Amino acid sequence: DIQMTQSPSSVSASVGDRVTITCRASQGIRGWLAWYQQKPGKAPKLLIYSASSLQSGVPSRFSGSTSGTDFTLTISSLQPEDFATYYCQQAHSFPLTFGPGTKVDVK
Amino acid sequence: QVQLQESGPGLVKPSETLSLTCTVSGGSFSPDYWSWIRQSPGKGLEWIGYIYYSGSTNYNPSLKTRVTISLDTSKNQFSLSLSFVTAADTAVYYCARHSQRTGDFDCWGQGTLVTVSS
Repeated sequence: DIQMTQSPSSVSASVGDRVTITCRASQGIRGWLAWYQQKPGKAPKLLIYSASSLQSGVPSRFSGSTSGTDFTLTISSLQPEDFATYYCQQAHSFPLTFGPGTKVDVK
Repeated sequence: QVQLQESGPGLVKPSETLSLTCTVSGGSFSPDYWSWIRQSPGKGLEWIGYIYYSGSTNYNPSLKTRVTISLDTSKNQFSLSLSFVTAADTAVYYCARHSQRTGDFDCWGQGTLVTVSS
């Protein structure tokens, strides 16, 4: 199975801050990566697919990028509704696997 | 717009079979993949398996011996059966549409908590 790791596990930030979350796969997955946002008691919501494509309806302050084997989710200017937990997921091979999550909370 | 809704018992006894159904509204099954995913505090998000609209399936090897996913196109439903459950199977279970083109889950049900306890 492909193992996904995320860093940091949590980040404290303020409204307006730029937030960056990194995800790494245990083996090459090319661009087969998705990012999700999850709020307490809710299902995950797809933000980014294919590493850098913005899902329809998702604000443009969210972006995804790749550098080698590292994948990055960036929130350019954190909004109050963005405090949540963020997960990456590899879509390269089965079984599909998720990262452990990064919680973004209030500083 | 496609919507998914899980249904089924919230409490299952150890060694019994967990059965859940996902009802798809606002769209049809084809030509998509339909997955079950669960989330527990101990193991995070875990993909359980998918069923294709044709009926073919693919399961997570970690659960393969206990899992069956089936489809009822006449009711726009797909179902999960997980046998011989233990406390480790206690989780929130989600059904989701799995994009065959990009491999992500672009539409999710709200989730249902299943507790395994006697």
